[in-house]
Amino acid sequence: DTTVKQNPRYKLARVGKPVNLICSQTMNHDTMYWYQKKPNQAPKLLLFYYDKILNREADTFEKFQSSRPNNSFCSLYIGSAGLEYSAMYLCASSRESNTGQLYFGEGSKLTVL
Amino acid sequence: GDSVTQTEGQVALSEEDFLTIHCNYSASGYPALFWYVQYPGEGPQFLFRASRDKEKGSSRGFEATYDKGTTSFHLRKASVQESDSAVYYCALGDLTGANTGKLTFGHGTILRVHP
Repeated sequence: DTTVKQNPRYKLARVGKPVNLICSQTMNHDTMYWYQKKPNQAPKLLLFYYDKILNREADTFEKFQSSRPNNSFCSLYIGSAGLEYSAMYLCASSRESNTGQLYFGEGSKLTVL
Repeated sequence: GDSVTQTEGQVALSEEDFLTIHCNYSASGYPALFWYVQYPGEGPQFLFRASRDKEKGSSRGFEATYDKGTTSFHLRKASVQESDSAVYYCALGDLTGANTGKLTFGHGTILRVHP
């Protein structure tokens, strides 16, 4: 089963409120990623976990938090949502096989009002 | 930093037409190049990759050849079908380190194939 599942699929949030997005995979993949996709823009890597080690991209360092309580689950947390956070959030996972092959979930669409 | 440019934002074709989606990249090292496809309502799926100059990647009738000289990895298909309608992403990444999922994507090209 090569499935990555994301919840919720759609999230409506008020400005200033927290948002928590969840991702799970059952492929025992070492690495899990979060990408942000806005209309007419390229998917942008926000952060990734290699095993239990979190790596955050420099320009998103303070905006997003994440946790990985076990190998299968990974969350993306926004402490105080702003309008600019409205986007599709894509979770992906990969094996440590140096293939560059990512398995993506269907995405969580966040709308901040 | 590294970047990927897809020339076409949208492409509209009829079934059995020939497809070309242009992809050019800029990178400091010797990256691997990828094509991903995203069907409506789904996440992006790996299509294929190429890791060295002149290598051809292919899958499902699609193909692209790594050209280091022109820094290109153009996607081609000889005869498209309506079911090929999707968004196609070109991407690059470094396969030599531990962080092989750190891909840099292009903006994507929307392909619409009419019956």
